[in-house]
Amino acid sequence: DTEVTQTPKHLVMGMTNKKSLKCEQHMGHRAMYWYKQKAKKPPELMFVYSYEKLSINESVPSRFSPECPNSSLLNLHLHALQPEDSALYLCASSQGGSRYGYTFGSGTRLTVV
Amino acid sequence: GESVGLHLPTLSVQEGDNSIINCAYSNSASDYFIWYKQESGKGPQFIIDIRSNMDKRQGQRVTVLLNKTVKHLSLQIAATQPGDSAVYFCAEWNTGNQYYFGTGTSLTVIP
Repeated sequence: DTEVTQTPKHLVMGMTNKKSLKCEQHMGHRAMYWYKQKAKKPPELMFVYSYEKLSINESVPSRFSPECPNSSLLNLHLHALQPEDSALYLCASSQGGSRYGYTFGSGTRLTVV
Repeated sequence: GESVGLHLPTLSVQEGDNSIINCAYSNSASDYFIWYKQESGKGPQFIIDIRSNMDKRQGQRVTVLLNKTVKHLSLQIAATQPGDSAVYFCAEWNTGNQYYFGTGTSLTVIP
């Protein structure tokens, strides 16, 4: 299995809702990442987990809460989001934080109404 | 066809022509670079990489050139095909232990 699987593919949520994005990989990668991508912009790093521990938080607002239950799973819990948080949320994984390329999932298209 | 990244974020080429996508990077300490292709509705996909101790690397129909003197990276696609239509990002890896993505160039191949 050489894929990163993200669910759901699309999500519409209200500003008072709580939802979660899920990411799964079975490549044995020990680093996992959340990126946010606005339309026609490059991906922006949000969080990095290395060996199931949060190693980088790029000053992301607390309404985004990451969780890494085990080495194959990564969640992003969402609460009280704003319309400007609407974006494509990408998950990626790599060999232990290796520079040698990330494998990206197809993303979750999030719309906050 | 050729782009210069920030100044020409879109590039249109005829099918069969060669494409050149350019990227300027900012950190002279960056020692590894990757080109990603992102098709509509998908995540970025690895195309080719190059280390800072190299100035050229070739793959299948793609070549990456690195000019460290002027901090410039380019991606050349030979015999461009409709399936090459996508947004292309360069990404640099530096001492911050993370990738920084360039602005991106949207390539459209005209049949």
